[in-house]
Amino acid sequence: QKEVEQNSGPLSVPEGAIASLNCTYSDRVSQSFFWYRQYSGKSPELIMSIYSNGDKEDGRFTAQLNKASQYVSLLIRDSQPSDSATYLCAVKRLANSGYALNFGKGTSLLVTP
Amino acid sequence: KAGVTQTPRYLIKTRGQQVTLSCSPISGHRSVSWYQQTPGQGLQFLFEYFSETQRNKGNFPGRFSGRQFSNSRSEMNVSTLELGDSALYLCASSPGQGYETQYFGPGTRLLVL
Repeated sequence: QKEVEQNSGPLSVPEGAIASLNCTYSDRVSQSFFWYRQYSGKSPELIMSIYSNGDKEDGRFTAQLNKASQYVSLLIRDSQPSDSATYLCAVKRLANSGYALNFGKGTSLLVTP
Repeated sequence: KAGVTQTPRYLIKTRGQQVTLSCSPISGHRSVSWYQQTPGQGLQFLFEYFSETQRNKGNFPGRFSGRQFSNSRSEMNVSTLELGDSALYLCASSPGQGYETQYFGPGTRLLVL
């Protein structure tokens, strides 16, 4: 079973709409969750991190975490064409004597003008 | 502050050869992680180094190895290259172990012919 699952998309939303991106994870002891954005041909950049159940808002972005359901989501309000990218969900796990980020395969978002 | 740098940016090798990739973390960062990104498997964790010690290793064959130097710069080596090693290799740095935010470099795109 893949540890972090995301719909590959593409998810297409019109400009100004809310984009909703979802992610599930399998390791119940995971404590830290991240959303990265990756433009085509570029490296991932961190958008949001969330550690507690509930919502966390940062500008147009809201991350939501439900540890009981092992589910984390990202909402993008007032979507802009510049938001078109692949969004990667990452879950931090402690392994051996270090840490590792497990990434989903990403959801491709297309915001149409 | 300068970001994470990786060299070379592009590389073409043939099967059976070996390759060494280099990563210079953000100044002051002591933790370096390596990831492999392919269209089929997404972003997969290779290993993490902290204070010149490998702290964690992903599920990759022994052909993949790495090291970290006293100045926190890191190298990864892939021996006996296979076609399936063609990928984008990303390095990420963070101030220390356990820090939540990882900053990614631009990556090295490796093509194995």
